[in-house]
Amino acid sequence: KAGVTQTPRYLIKTRGQQVTLSCSPISGHRSVSWYQQTPGQGLQFLFEYFSETQRNKGNFPGRFSGRQFSNSRSEMNVSTLELGDSALYLCASSLHRDSGEQYFGPGTRLTVT
Amino acid sequence: ILNVEQSPQSLHVQEGDSTNFTCSFPSSNFYALHWYRWETAKSPEALFVMTLNGDEKKKGRISATLNTKEGYSYLYIKGSQPEDSATYLCAPDMRFGAGTRLTVKP
Repeated sequence: KAGVTQTPRYLIKTRGQQVTLSCSPISGHRSVSWYQQTPGQGLQFLFEYFSETQRNKGNFPGRFSGRQFSNSRSEMNVSTLELGDSALYLCASSLHRDSGEQYFGPGTRLTVT
Repeated sequence: ILNVEQSPQSLHVQEGDSTNFTCSFPSSNFYALHWYRWETAKSPEALFVMTLNGDEKKKGRISATLNTKEGYSYLYIKGSQPEDSATYLCAPDMRFGAGTRLTVKP
């Protein structure tokens, strides 16, 4: 069974631009969660999607948004990039919400210059 | 927003030592707590999902307990091996602690 895949793996953007990251969950998994990891803040929860609906949201500004498609693939969008958005963005999929074991992808390393 | 604290921040032990870490969180409105193992340059790996007060889970030499009433979970590693070196993260209701970084010296 293929694991969680994320594209692209690395990305360099300029301040003010926008970016879209993609996550393909494990086949059959309907829950996809997104996390941001920075050296200073550790892993922080962005949002969770289940069956194309956002079910849970972390404490991030509205510049961070996401969506999930009918095939459970998910995208995350960050608009008006700031230097502080430079981070590793991880997505994780699970079979069930909340109590399901989460499987993480390799992450997308975003650098904002 | 849950305030999740993990202690200690880092730990250095000798191969063969047993060790344990603590994850503390506010005990109200709790649903599920996840433990993860995160090795450098890899993705976090799920260890346990715990939902019930008094839950005890075990996987090989690693085990965990959960006390939702007092808001803590313990992770135990018996007979640590160098390959156990990693950061161990707990996440009650998807809110991650800063982790405990374990280094096991051969």
